[in-house]
Amino acid sequence: DTAVSQTPKYLVTQMGNDKSIKCEQNLGHDTMYWYKQDSKKFLKIMFSYNNKELIINETVPNRFSPKSPDKAHLNLHINSLELGDSAVYFCASSQEGGQGREQFFGPGTRLTVL
Amino acid sequence: RKEVEQDPGPFNVPEGATVAFNCTYSNSASQSFFWYRQDCRKEPKLLMSVYSSGNEDGRFTAQLNRASQYISLLIRDSKLSDSATYLCVVQKAAGNKLTFGGGTRVLVKP
Repeated sequence: DTAVSQTPKYLVTQMGNDKSIKCEQNLGHDTMYWYKQDSKKFLKIMFSYNNKELIINETVPNRFSPKSPDKAHLNLHINSLELGDSAVYFCASSQEGGQGREQFFGPGTRLTVL
Repeated sequence: RKEVEQDPGPFNVPEGATVAFNCTYSNSASQSFFWYRQDCRKEPKLLMSVYSSGNEDGRFTAQLNRASQYISLLIRDSKLSDSATYLCVVQKAAGNKLTFGGGTRVLVKP
């Protein structure tokens, strides 16, 4: 009965590879997000989707491409992985956009690029 | 200057003591404020929202000072289980984007 789930939990890969991380939420929320938490622990938003539409796209290399097949899923595909992509990636969801909405986070995907 | 700044700590707190720490934000148009808690190698979870008049949730008290653009968190009667990183989070008026501080690490020791 996990609210926000991500797969895989750990991902170790070589530079230059392409990988995907999947996220699903069963909370019935309309908005989903991808965050990156780097080694210094800063959590930064990358993308936000509301009802499958992209609403936030921070300055992220275009090697990162989110895809939302439906409002319960938001996947992240990364092309040509670089060393600097190593981080923990968190998916989150919240009720329809507005002020003061709690965001629920998935358990994170720890990506290591060698 | 970072949008949301926090003292990274760690704050070493004896069990049962009180600890307080602040967070400053740079955007005066910020509308909503939160404290999230993140345990080691876990995801962030909402601890409490911060309201203009200040609010309390059990042993936790949050305050907002809009004039000086900071929020604070006070933990009374600290428990070992309070050991975590506390993330200050600010939300702007437009959209749902949350901006996180780097976190303040609290270690409660017996």
